[in-house]
Formats: sequence, structure tokens, C-alpha cells
Amino acid sequence: QKEVEQDPGPLSVPEGAIVSLNCTYSNSAFQYFMWYRQYSRKGPELLMYTYSSGNKEDGRFTAQVDKSSKYISLFIRDSQPSDSATYLCAMSGLTGGGNKLTFGTGTQLKVEL
Amino acid sequence: AAGVIQSPRHLIKEKRETATLKCYPIPRHDTVYWYQQGPGQDPQFLISFYEKMQSDKGSIPDRFSAQQFSDYHSELNMSSLELGDSALYFCASSGPGLALETQYFGPGTRLLVL
Repeated sequence: QKEVEQDPGPLSVPEGAIVSLNCTYSNSAFQYFMWYRQYSRKGPELLMYTYSSGNKEDGRFTAQVDKSSKYISLFIRDSQPSDSATYLCAMSGLTGGGNKLTFGTGTQLKVEL
Repeated sequence: AAGVIQSPRHLIKEKRETATLKCYPIPRHDTVYWYQQGPGQDPQFLISFYEKMQSDKGSIPDRFSAQQFSDYHSELNMSSLELGDSALYFCASSGPGLALETQYFGPGTRLLVL
């Protein structure tokens, strides 16, 4: 079983919809939670970064972490066709020497006109 | 803003050949990470360096080696290439310091082994 589970989709929504992307994890050592967006054949682009439980908002994006349930979410409001990409959750903990990221498998999102 | 630079962007090699991938981190970033992403898969951590010393090691084959140089750029050397090594190889950087900051990824090197 993978340490981080993520529904691979694909997820198709109409323009303007609210999108909810989710990940669950099993390793209690994870303390830092990130969401990356990856367009086809490109490098992952950092969207959101949160520490511990709670919410964080940045424009149309809201990241939510529930450490008690080992569950994180990314909400995208007023989704746009340009949001069509693969969204990867990633996590890291205190490893004592660098913060390697453990990724989910990614959710493929398509926002249609 | 300056980003992580990787070269080459594309590389075609034959089985049993050797490949060298280069990574130039964001200025003032002193930590470099290497990830391998197979088709349709999530990035898998290979190895990381902080201040020119290996800081962590993941699922990196013994055929691969890497180092970080005095200017903080890093090179991933891959020998005896196998078909299964075909993948996207990403470099990410963070810093300064081992603070728990986020990693910024480069555009990747697409390696195809024939």
C-alpha cells in the first residue's frame, strides 16, 4: 500500500465549477503538505504549501489539512480551462537531512468550456 | 524569477550506455533533489544533497550516482542504462539551509533508452 493515496481521476468539470481534490496518507510523520500542478511533459509547479492542520487560502485555491484524519484537500473555485492539468499532492516530514517529498499518484483534471 | 535549470531537456541513449543529467538550482538554494517519474506515475525520490553532501537516499539504483558541486549544481550519472530507465528526471531545489521549505522543480530531462 502506498503511503499517499490519491484518486487518479480523470475528473471533468464545467468552467466555473468548484473542484475538490483529495489525498489520504498513512505516515503520521508527515507534517508538511503541498499541492503541485503539472501540465503534460512539464515539471511540477508549486501551488500551495501548508504546515499541520488547518486551512490556507490563496486566490482561487484553498488547501485544507486534517491531520487527525490524515486527509488533505485542495479546492479550486471558479475553475478555468487553464486549470486543466494533473494535480499532485506531496508530503514531507522531519527526516533529519533534507525533506524528500512523497507524492500521490496525481489527479487528472479537465475543465471544459 | 530564476528557476531550476536542467540539461539536456531530451536525451536518447541505447541500452548499456551512460548518461549524465545536469541540474542548476535556483540562486541561493543549497539543497538539490532528484526524482524519477515514469509514464503515468508520480515522481519517485532518488537522492538529495545539501551543501555538497548527500543528505538522503531513496530508490536510486546502484548503477546511478550523483554529486553536488561547489557552485551547488548537481549531476546525475547513469550507467549501464536499461529500457526501464526511460522516464522523466526532475531536479528540485530548496533553501537556503535545511529549513523545511518547499521544493521548486525544474522542467525535467526526458530520457529515452532504446
